[in-house]
Amino acid sequence: DVKVTQSSRYLVKRTGEKVFLECVQDMDHENMFWYRQDPGLGLRLIYFSYDVKMKEKGDIPEGYSVSREKKERFSLILESASTNQTSMYLCASSAAGNYGYTFGSGTRLTVV
Amino acid sequence: AQSVAQPEDQVNVAEGNPLTVKCTYSVSGNPYLFWYVQYPNRGLQFLLKYITGDNLVKGSYGFEAEFNKSQTSFHLKKPSALVSDSALYFCAVRGHNFNKFYFGSGTKLNVKP
Repeated sequence: DVKVTQSSRYLVKRTGEKVFLECVQDMDHENMFWYRQDPGLGLRLIYFSYDVKMKEKGDIPEGYSVSREKKERFSLILESASTNQTSMYLCASSAAGNYGYTFGSGTRLTVV
Repeated sequence: AQSVAQPEDQVNVAEGNPLTVKCTYSVSGNPYLFWYVQYPNRGLQFLLKYITGDNLVKGSYGFEAEFNKSQTSFHLKKPSALVSDSALYFCAVRGHNFNKFYFGSGTKLNVKP
């Protein structure tokens, strides 16, 4: 069964910490994405990548960075966590072409 | 610019009754439209998509959606709701940059016994 795996389901971090959220897919997909989900706002795109070592900013990249050193892994980095980054973070991947996303189960991050 | 609107934050329906979750979109060119469902504390799961062809698309769990180009709508429907259908539903459109999806704000579906 194909899947996208996010390393943590729940995470609690302190303000100012550097936070790494990991995402791994086993489908050999070219495209990978990071979204955050907040009530009433739906899903907002943070960053995406369409190839190894390639990255593009989404709609809300401020305060985040990403890394894609291998095709299967896409990491989201919060350089200095702040309380307004408390959210549900969703990773997704897709093949090139007219295909939908496959989502991970999400990481609920709380910054205190 | 691409965008998706889900005008209802919440839809309530009795078990066994038909349900509709509304979605309208704005996109230049031909739209690629999707519906996803999210159960509590889970990621999103694919339900169905419209790329081209028949305007009525059938998907998982008995759901279907009707593409209406003149009304720029892609409403999700099911003839007979189940309590287990209660979840958060997202409509999405894939933009001209094929790598990017634009999601609606989500509609919470409550099916009561």
